[in-house]
Amino acid sequence: NAGVMQNPRHLVRRRGQEARLRCSPMKGHSHVYWYRQLPEEGLKFMVYLQKENIIDESGMPKERFSAEFPKEGPSILRIQQVVRGDSAAYFCASSPMPSGGTEAFFGQGTRLTVV
Amino acid sequence: AQTVTQSQPEMSVQEAETVTLSCTYDTSENNYYLFWYKQPPSRQMILVIRQEAYKQQNATENRFSVNFQKAAKSFSLKISDSQLGDTAMYFCAFMKQGGGADGLTFGKGTHLIIQP
Repeated sequence: NAGVMQNPRHLVRRRGQEARLRCSPMKGHSHVYWYRQLPEEGLKFMVYLQKENIIDESGMPKERFSAEFPKEGPSILRIQQVVRGDSAAYFCASSPMPSGGTEAFFGQGTRLTVV
Repeated sequence: AQTVTQSQPEMSVQEAETVTLSCTYDTSENNYYLFWYKQPPSRQMILVIRQEAYKQQNATENRFSVNFQKAAKSFSLKISDSQLGDTAMYFCAFMKQGGGADGLTFGKGTHLIIQP
């Protein structure tokens, strides 16, 4: 059973371009969380999705950021018109249910660098 | 909103020593979960230990144990017989019971260095 797969591991974008980050949850997991980690910081919650639904996006910037988790395929975090401040590591975690007490399994993250 | 505070940005101990990482949190919730995650240089987030707030008994996983003081809102991690492979960032995290919205709230982390 493969773990949570994120790709790419590293992504370089020029200012103004779009960044697409992908997350394939563990088999049987229908709940996905996205987190952002700035240098020297802990992870900050961005968005929580179930299949085809955004449950909570309170941690996601209102502009330029969007997320989806379609019925088929990976979850996608999209950042439009990237700026230098978007440079960070973005982590995805999945769980089989709302992870109130169960373990959320993390991917290895995507490090986005905006130049 | 919840906050998690880790007051030790960095700690360094000799191999085989015991080390304690501190964590305090603030919440108005009565039912919640607390976690310690390890992040080695590979960046992978690895769950070390989990504590349910309703349980009085401190969680233990092999060399890792916690001291959970609910009234004081304190959740420290003790690593016994430390090993070189324990070198990593350690993050304390909080989650409301029922999970879902908000996800995990993380502290800023403690960089633990185990010296040979």
